[in-house]
Amino acid sequence: GAVVSQHPSRVICKSGTSVKIECRSLDFQATTMFWYRQFPKQSLMLMATSNEGSKATYEQGVEKDKFLINHASLTLSTLTVTSAHPEDSSFYICSARDMTSSTDTQYFGPGTRLTVL
Amino acid sequence: AQKVTQAQTEISVVEKEDVTLDCVYETRDTTYYLFWYKQPPSGELVFLIRRNSFDEQNEISGRYSWNFQKSTSSFNFTITASQVVDSAVYFCALSDPYSGGGADGLTFGKGTHLIIQP
Repeated sequence: GAVVSQHPSRVICKSGTSVKIECRSLDFQATTMFWYRQFPKQSLMLMATSNEGSKATYEQGVEKDKFLINHASLTLSTLTVTSAHPEDSSFYICSARDMTSSTDTQYFGPGTRLTVL
Repeated sequence: AQKVTQAQTEISVVEKEDVTLDCVYETRDTTYYLFWYKQPPSGELVFLIRRNSFDEQNEISGRYSWNFQKSTSSFNFTITASQVVDSAVYFCALSDPYSGGGADGLTFGKGTHLIIQP
């Protein structure tokens, strides 16, 4: 099946620094990728939709200047958490939409666990 | 607004028992998709099934089966002869074409933590 990777899998950073998370579709092209966050023992919440070659669309309540998304190619989207604070500590998961498949399904990456000290 | 409700926060059964995870959804759309994902302790989401709103046929895949009932807006998931490896958090999700992206970002339920005891 389709494979989506994320890098890094874990990151610990100091408050005030910026962290970049990469999401790659390894064996298919994804014009659309999604970014979710998941707090411990909670559900996944959609943060934004990333479209290749255009600006990302953010869900209500998600700060665009805080969470910068770039989708520069059909296989790569990046999420940068700027000036991270402890409340940004979370599990960030991306998904990529394989529109060429018969089921048009989203495939999820393994997630990135961010800890801000 | 779209909403997915998984009323069972946690279910614990003994191995080999059958178990059903409930999922009830709300949507104003006539065309939508429903999903089930498994999230083991590692955190990675494992895709289980995707169902089109126009296809109400039940589906069986090995020990897994799904019962989609549009009349009650439910999409329940049953595991027969459960095994310890089935222990995980299971999420039901709904495609949401009216999300900000307009491109089917998913609305997830809160998940059901399934514990299979040996």
